[in-house]
Amino acid sequence: GAGVSQTPSNKVTEKGKYVELRCDPISGHTALYWYRQSLGQGPEFLIYFQGTGAADDSGLPNDRFFAVRPEGSVSTLKIQRTERGDSAVYLCASSLGSGSSLTDTQYFGPGTRLTVL
Amino acid sequence: AQSVTQLGSHVSVSEGALVLLRCNYSSSVPPYLFWYVQYPNQGLQLLLKYTTGATLVKGINGFEAEFKKSETSFHLTKPSAHMSDAAEYFCAVSERNDYKLSFGAGTTVTVRA
Repeated sequence: GAGVSQTPSNKVTEKGKYVELRCDPISGHTALYWYRQSLGQGPEFLIYFQGTGAADDSGLPNDRFFAVRPEGSVSTLKIQRTERGDSAVYLCASSLGSGSSLTDTQYFGPGTRLTVL
Repeated sequence: AQSVTQLGSHVSVSEGALVLLRCNYSSSVPPYLFWYVQYPNQGLQLLLKYTTGATLVKGINGFEAEFKKSETSFHLTKPSAHMSDAAEYFCAVSERNDYKLSFGAGTTVTVRA
């Protein structure tokens, strides 16, 4: 079946611009996660959705970052006034949504590579 | 707070040789432990995980890992490397019954013919 898909695969923007990154989770997965992977580092947690609500946004670095999931499926990560330091690969994952990694496996998309010039 | 250390950012092995990737964690309570693999232009794929029970965990593609509480380690091994094993490997942890994963920096494996 279809996995997690992310669009665009690459995004180049200029400093100060606004960007939106899209994630289509696996059908039926109620949990959705965003991670950010900077060069040479492992993914870092940004935000977790259970259904339509953001259950945990403790990883968002500042108020320029925002994410929505209005219908409990597709999610959009929004970054305002982009900075060069925002350049990274943004990963999306989804899972069935038990709320625990004991029973839930996170399935990752291929990521969106964001470059801020 | 949890942290994960992967020793060696790059590992090169000959085809047919043992693959050994090292992972150590720092946590006050033994966490859940994971290994993910990332092939070029693909998403991270779960290789195996340890939660409770038997400390030697077998995963996909012939990989296995052993949880050693006394050493706070979860090293990944494969007896005989294939060319298709060339990829980046990430060790990750989560607190028990949590959903959030904390990843190490990754180890890139190259396989020599």
